[in-house]
Amino acid sequence: EAGVAQSPRYKIIEKRQSVAFWCNPISGHATLYWYQQILGQGPKLLIQFQNNGVVDDSQLPKDRFSAERLKGVDSTLKIQPAKLEDSAVYLCASSHRSPHEQYFGPGTRLTVT
Amino acid sequence: GQSLEQPSEVTAVEGAIVQINCTYQTSGFYGLSWYQQHDGGAPTFLSYNALDGLEETGRFSSFLSRSDSYGYLLLQELQMKDSASYFCAVRNTGKLIFGQGTTLQVKP
Repeated sequence: EAGVAQSPRYKIIEKRQSVAFWCNPISGHATLYWYQQILGQGPKLLIQFQNNGVVDDSQLPKDRFSAERLKGVDSTLKIQPAKLEDSAVYLCASSHRSPHEQYFGPGTRLTVT
Repeated sequence: GQSLEQPSEVTAVEGAIVQINCTYQTSGFYGLSWYQQHDGGAPTFLSYNALDGLEETGRFSSFLSRSDSYGYLLLQELQMKDSASYFCAVRNTGKLIFGQGTTLQVKP
């Protein structure tokens, strides 16, 4: 069974530029999550999708972050414009039935200069 | 509000036993998960406790006391490859809230 795929693995941009990340979850997993993990901290949930609907986006900075999951499969997360404090690893995860067991992708390490 | 507390660092020697504690404050508690993350890697699921008691999976065990809002991860027969960060995560209805993580360093 293929794992969660993410791209790109690394991205360096200047502040005020835009960036997009892509995630393909494990086949059959209805729930998809985007997390932000700042160095030395635990993952922080940004947005959660159930199929193609948003379940929770309470911690998503909506003035600059957006995400979509068209057709209920893969998903994109966009930041526009980026700020220095957005430097982090962006993790995508998926789960089948229960949120307690999530499968994470390798993440995208974003550096904003 | 919701909060989780776990030690920031733990050091142990190869072959030893180590316990990583986690205390939490949250509403709508469903259970406690544990994840392992190697440096530069993705978090991987280790165990989940929905009910009080001990769950054992090979060298790893996890314990939960709902009345004390407390849990721990027990790692036995430590190996060098166990050096990693360990996160407890509270299941709150349909999502997980992660702690700040405990960095475990295993020394020869």
